[in-house]
Amino acid sequence: QLQLQESGPGLVKPSETLSLTCTVSGDSISSGRHYWDWIRQPPGRGLEWLGYIYYSGSTLYNPSLKSRVTMSVDTSKNQFSLKLSSMTAADTAVYYCVRRHNWRGLDPWGQGILVTVSS
Amino acid sequence: DIQMTQSPSSLSASVGDRVTITCRASQGIRNDLGWYQQKPGKAPKHLIYATSNLQSGVPPRFSGSGSGTEFTLTISSLQPEDFATYYCLQHSAYPLTFGGGTKVEIK
Repeated sequence: QLQLQESGPGLVKPSETLSLTCTVSGDSISSGRHYWDWIRQPPGRGLEWLGYIYYSGSTLYNPSLKSRVTMSVDTSKNQFSLKLSSMTAADTAVYYCVRRHNWRGLDPWGQGILVTVSS
Repeated sequence: DIQMTQSPSSLSASVGDRVTITCRASQGIRNDLGWYQQKPGKAPKHLIYATSNLQSGVPPRFSGSGSGTEFTLTISSLQPEDFATYYCLQHSAYPLTFGGGTKVEIK
């Protein structure tokens, strides 16, 4: 069964760097059939697309994050990761990892991980 | 960025009602639009891709239509399990952008 699972800290201090990992089971990142995206949702608010990584390591980020975001992939572990630097309270959100097909859209989604930025 | 304007932001409806949600894109996005349903505390669930195609397992009371800049999600007969928040997503151009969401509540 295809599943994505986020892992990482639930609490990050202001100015620190968030590191999250998404473990994929039931599909191979190396297949090249999909993009692997990160999306976040602040409490009580809407969804924001953060960017994607492809199996080759190519990436595209949302310009709204400027230079704070870095994504990477480890095909040997079938995982991909997100790093977001200079965290502030505005980055408090549920972070989702998602598989994306070029024209079929986003499916499935991980269950999400709540990351709170607080000292 | 392509702006996705979703309306209404919320609505109240009864079981059995027909419900229509609209998303308007700030520029043409062909048919590169999907719809997602989110229940409290859960990840979004993919309902419709490429404007009008039902994801596997999605009941046929859900339908999508539109092209270019105007798109709609219709629930033909609202069921108790359909009370949720719905989002549209354009994937025609980067960055991908979501509509602001429509919360469907029980009347």
